[in-house]
Amino acid sequence: AQSVAQPEDQVNVAEGNPLTVKCTYSVSGNPYLFWYVQYPNRGLQFLLKYITGDNLVKGSYGFEAEFNKSQTSFHLKKPSALVSDSALYFCAVRLLTGYSTLTFGKGTMLLVSP
Amino acid sequence: DTGVSQDPRHKITKRGQNVTFRCDPISEHNRLYWYRQTLGQGPEFLTYFQNEAQLEKSRLLSDRFSAERPKGSFSTLEIQRTEQGDSAMYLCASSPTSSGRTQETQYFGPGTRLLVL
Repeated sequence: AQSVAQPEDQVNVAEGNPLTVKCTYSVSGNPYLFWYVQYPNRGLQFLLKYITGDNLVKGSYGFEAEFNKSQTSFHLKKPSALVSDSALYFCAVRLLTGYSTLTFGKGTMLLVSP
Repeated sequence: DTGVSQDPRHKITKRGQNVTFRCDPISEHNRLYWYRQTLGQGPEFLTYFQNEAQLEKSRLLSDRFSAERPKGSFSTLEIQRTEQGDSAMYLCASSPTSSGRTQETQYFGPGTRLLVL
């Protein structure tokens, strides 16, 4: 079985400050890891993914994430937060083998204050 | 570029009624997924198609739920005899098939929000 944990229900950060949204995962095998963002009453929008290779992955809107195999983590980061980054962020995992269904975390609400 | 579309965007129904949702994936995407999202939770997988074949179903998909993708293009999700616990956002996603199933990304539609009274 695979699972994802997002330990923080909410992250508050001031505009211009760096942000981190945490994600840890559990799979029995090599993972694909994803971050999605959801704005109110909208579907999920893909931000970035880790497949193999460089542990630091860069994605849309200046976001990046670092894969850490020993800590089974895939934290989302951005050097300088914008008010428009305020949204619900989901981490997801799937196995490299087998069917391609995603397992999502519960989500973390990011609030960026002006 | 047309993304994944879903219809309707909102549906209010009375308990016991049947409802059907439609998903149109990104053209030429072979794979199509249905997820359910309840308030405060991440999306939960329901079922998955590759072309017209339904390859996997979650235990969440009770006998009242059925999904089809008859021509390998659009898909429908039907819920029979709806219950209040079916109230949720139903999300559809699609992805291309790349060789070796590597590096595929699922692209989500806007969802259909169902409220069962």
